[in-house]
Amino acid sequence: ETGVTQTPRHLVMGMTNKKSLKCEQHLGHNAMYWYKQSAKKPLELMFVYSLEERVENNSVPSRFSPECPNSSHLFLHLHTLQPEDSALYLCASSQEMPPGRGGYEQYFGPGTRLTVT
Amino acid sequence: AQTVTQSQPEMSVQEAETVTLSCTYDTSENNYYLFWYKQPPSRQMILVIRQEAYKQQNATENRFSVNFQKAAKSFSLKISDSQLGDTAMYFCAYSGTYKYIFGTGTRLKVLA
Repeated sequence: ETGVTQTPRHLVMGMTNKKSLKCEQHLGHNAMYWYKQSAKKPLELMFVYSLEERVENNSVPSRFSPECPNSSHLFLHLHTLQPEDSALYLCASSQEMPPGRGGYEQYFGPGTRLTVT
Repeated sequence: AQTVTQSQPEMSVQEAETVTLSCTYDTSENNYYLFWYKQPPSRQMILVIRQEAYKQQNATENRFSVNFQKAAKSFSLKISDSQLGDTAMYFCAYSGTYKYIFGTGTRLKVLA
């Protein structure tokens, strides 16, 4: 596998379910991100991890819980979601020097299309 | 807070023609970066071009170039000699320290 991979590619879940999205980057990067992409809305940055430490949480509801066990893996744990959470969830990574400085190219995964019923 | 605005939801261009996508942004920071990303249908988002705010010279990448007007906070993307493979959503993005802000995107269709 190369680049940034995400699993599953599609997920349908009920409002009471618990599921997790997985992201893996094979680029040796030091920063990883979760974005939410909804139709006709800007891409929303949800979480930023730099050197496996969460450094940014843009007021995301607690029903979304990120986990970064190492520099290559990022998870998004989902529970008691709402229908308005249906969207494409994108993972990205970048190599930032120094970490958090911004301005570096982000490499995106293909996304997980989430539908909450 | 920083904002990024793309005022053209959809555009179309004939193959081999030139098209310009608009982007404006707002920030009080002096040191930042601007990007154009491309998201082809059902494919991954990739970087098209990157501009450092402290550089006066406009960035270029083959058929892609930008017109960066720092005082006007404008960052437009020009695609020359448009090709069918340029059909995609194009996102303008702003980056500062731990900040990545994207616009709503412009859907570009290249017509044969």
